[in-house]
Amino acid sequence: AQSVTQLGSHVSVSEGALVLLRCNYSSSVPPYLFWYVQYPNQGLQLLLKYTTGATLVKGINGFEAEFKKSETSFHLTKPSAHMSDAAEYFCAVRERSNDYKLSFGAGTTVTVRA
Amino acid sequence: KAGVTQTPRYLIKTRGQQVTLSCSPISGHRSVSWYQQTPGQGLQFLFEYFSETQRNKGNFPGRFSGRQFSNSRSEMNVSTLELGDSALYLCASSIPRDRGASGANVLTFGAGSRLTVL
Repeated sequence: AQSVTQLGSHVSVSEGALVLLRCNYSSSVPPYLFWYVQYPNQGLQLLLKYTTGATLVKGINGFEAEFKKSETSFHLTKPSAHMSDAAEYFCAVRERSNDYKLSFGAGTTVTVRA
Repeated sequence: KAGVTQTPRYLIKTRGQQVTLSCSPISGHRSVSWYQQTPGQGLQFLFEYFSETQRNKGNFPGRFSGRQFSNSRSEMNVSTLELGDSALYLCASSIPRDRGASGANVLTFGAGSRLTVL
């Protein structure tokens, strides 16, 4: 079964600083990989996804993530944090052979200091 | 185009009651999945429907059930509510791909129905 580990349940950054959220998965076959964001009292919004091809994936709101097979990682970054980036972020995986279920990490809450 | 619509957004029930939550998927999306989100357990898969059939089910007791209608709208029902059922219930819709086809089946989530059980 797939598992997803997000290192750090809370991350605090200064406005304008780098945002780095870590995600590692456990699977012998690289799955599909996703990052979702959740704002208070809202559902999940897709930031970006990796399916195949280029390992550096660009998403919405200036976020990007890099798939590293050797490290089984899919870390999310944003060069310069904005106050509006304060939210909870979830890494998720989906098996390539079982295209129905997302397995989520525990989430990382990002706070942005002025 | 309209997103995934979930109703009601908020509701309060007491233990032992039952609840029905509704989900209208994006037009053209035929697969609907449900997830439960709690502070303790995080996001957990409940079930997935396609063409009015439950294709997959997560590890939840039989008190949790669902169905899908011919227009792809879906409902989920929780009977004999327990305090631990308090959660945000999220619905997601997608255009399912044939199994084995390349590319990921991307889920679009609704805003959720927040259930409080007293």
